[in-house]
Amino acid sequence: ILNVEQSPQSLHVQEGDSTNFTCSFPSSNFYALHWYRWETAKSPEALFVMTLNGDEKKKGRISATLNTKEGYSYLYIKGSQPEDSATYLCASHLNNDMRFGAGTRLTVKP
Amino acid sequence: DVKVTQSSRYLVKRTGEKVFLECVQDMDHENMFWYRQDPGLGLRLIYFSYDVKMKEKGDIPEGYSVSREKKERFSLILESASTNQTSMYLCASSSTSGTPSYEQYFGPGTRLTVT
Repeated sequence: ILNVEQSPQSLHVQEGDSTNFTCSFPSSNFYALHWYRWETAKSPEALFVMTLNGDEKKKGRISATLNTKEGYSYLYIKGSQPEDSATYLCASHLNNDMRFGAGTRLTVKP
Repeated sequence: DVKVTQSSRYLVKRTGEKVFLECVQDMDHENMFWYRQDPGLGLRLIYFSYDVKMKEKGDIPEGYSVSREKKERFSLILESASTNQTSMYLCASSSTSGTPSYEQYFGPGTRLTVT
């Protein structure tokens, strides 16, 4: 994989549903994997930075895992709320180069 | 908290105009970046700077230039705006030292429309 790819491109869930999305990245020369949350009309906000294979990070109802050997990371949201609606960006830091995915646009319906 | 500000949230310019987008950060970060975001595409790096008066081309520098005369300020210049430069422009900064590694802090973005 030459680029950072995210799937799905967009997701609509009901309030209370749990959901997850994927970030795939080149596994060679890996340095760090970043997840950002970008709400409409606001700045992208850092959620997690992960560097080690097997890393798991958690912030409230949101958690992320990292597999550097196969080049993927999952972001999980448990019990989605309308305020979770945002675009979730991942970025792979390779050497001095940060590569962003196109994002997953999450909409949580009340 | 780190604060990155951008001079305008929305901007409408005519084709051929010279456009200045300003970005200021208040955390003494060494690194500053300009990206553009288009539907279906990731953030694409236009230019970045690791120090005052230093600049490096990113992936899509054509049609753009930058200026970094002071550490806290990084300006993006569209010498002659064209319709294909209609986009959301995001500025970011990061520190070379400390953790988390190279985490970037973003401004709110400038939505530029070129007519």
